[in-house]
Amino acid sequence: AQSVTQLDSHVSVSEGTPVLLRCNYSSSYSPSLFWYVQHPNKGLQLLLKYTSAATLVKGINGFEAEFKKSETSFHLTKPSAHMSDAAEYFCVVTHSGGFKTIFGAGTRLFVKA
Amino acid sequence: DAMVIQNPRYQVTQFGKPVTLSCSQTLNHNVMYWYQQKSSQAPKLLFHYYDKDFNNEADTPDNFQSRRPNTSFCFLDIRSPGLGDAAMYLCATSRASEGEQFFGPGTRLTVL
Repeated sequence: AQSVTQLDSHVSVSEGTPVLLRCNYSSSYSPSLFWYVQHPNKGLQLLLKYTSAATLVKGINGFEAEFKKSETSFHLTKPSAHMSDAAEYFCVVTHSGGFKTIFGAGTRLFVKA
Repeated sequence: DAMVIQNPRYQVTQFGKPVTLSCSQTLNHNVMYWYQQKSSQAPKLLFHYYDKDFNNEADTPDNFQSRRPNTSFCFLDIRSPGLGDAAMYLCATSRASEGEQFFGPGTRLTVL
């Protein structure tokens, strides 16, 4: 069975400080892992994806994530937060062509000036 | 630019009055998905089409139906909307062999 756990429902950082959004997954198969961002009243935008290539994945807007199989984690990081990063972030796992998509509950990121 | 388009962006309907939401794509992807997203929750998959093959999630209410007349278009029909159906409805597409999904901007449905 597959599952995704986002360990924090809310994260608050100051502008210019690092961001860490945590995600743990459980999968019986070799998973594909994704991070999506959703701004208020908008659709989801792909930040980055892991599909069994390099374990350190770089995405858009300065975000990156590292796939750690031993820890079953896929945490999202950014060295320096910007006000425009304030949004909801979803960690997602799929396998086998991606039809069965499991979303984490989401982490709301707040960025303080 | 290739994209996923949803119309309308905002839809208001009355309790029990049928409503149809529309999604179109220019990506030529063979898989299209419909999700329901309630406030402060993750999107919940309702169903997906793989080409013309319809796949319903086990817990999707019978009140929700879908049509895909061609590769580009997919519709979500809510036969008798209840107050609990008020939500954001997201359409997404993907290539069959890949997990990455491309999302439209969503339609926010209000039920009065």
